[in-house]
Amino acid sequence: EVQLVESGGGLVQPGGSLRLSCAASGFTFSSYEMNWVRQAPGKGLEWVSYISGSGTTIYYADSVKGRFTISRDNAKNSLNLQMNSLRAEDTAVYYCATKVAGTSHFHHWGQGTLVTVSS
Amino acid sequence: QSVLTQPPSVSGAPGQRVTISCTGSSSNIGAGYDVHWFQQLPGTAPKLLIYGNSNRPSGVPDRFSGSKSGTSASLAITGLQAEDEADYYCQSYDSRLSAWVFGGGTKLTVL
Repeated sequence: EVQLVESGGGLVQPGGSLRLSCAASGFTFSSYEMNWVRQAPGKGLEWVSYISGSGTTIYYADSVKGRFTISRDNAKNSLNLQMNSLRAEDTAVYYCATKVAGTSHFHHWGQGTLVTVSS
Repeated sequence: QSVLTQPPSVSGAPGQRVTISCTGSSSNIGAGYDVHWFQQLPGTAPKLLIYGNSNRPSGVPDRFSGSKSGTSASLAITGLQAEDEADYYCQSYDSRLSAWVFGGGTKLTVL
């Protein structure tokens, strides 16, 4: 059974940093592309970042480009999101999600971790 | 303002059929990119409902179906049940933005 468990969320001041992690199990992690998708309180879904199975191809949404860094460790079956220069508008539940190469949908999702940016 | 446009809410009585529309443009749905649908029950993570315009993952009841035409797509739910009350999101890819994009979401209320 595919399992994705996010961690690392919490309260951080504007301008601060936070590192999110996603622990994967139940599938061959290196064979799947991975994404971060966020949802602000009471709002819709927003794609944040993508990383290929090998980690060599990375994309970011314009809203986080230059501030967030996605990475993965296939030996440890883990996905990370380093978030710097955080803003109030980054407040959201952050989900990690799998994607199969050659498709465009997010198949399996974690339960999410809440990031709150506030002074 | 979401790239894909969905109605904020729809409603229907148990047993009825409802549809949720998702309108895009020539840089996403109209460009031939697939449309996918997600169901988000209150307080839970989104769940894949329909992928590749009209395909259901295993375990999704055949009461749910999807279609796509031109720059729009639709999700249909037949035999409405109380447990279908949730938020529904469409998703595609946009070539102008070089990003995966979502609709704003539609809240389904079962009367």
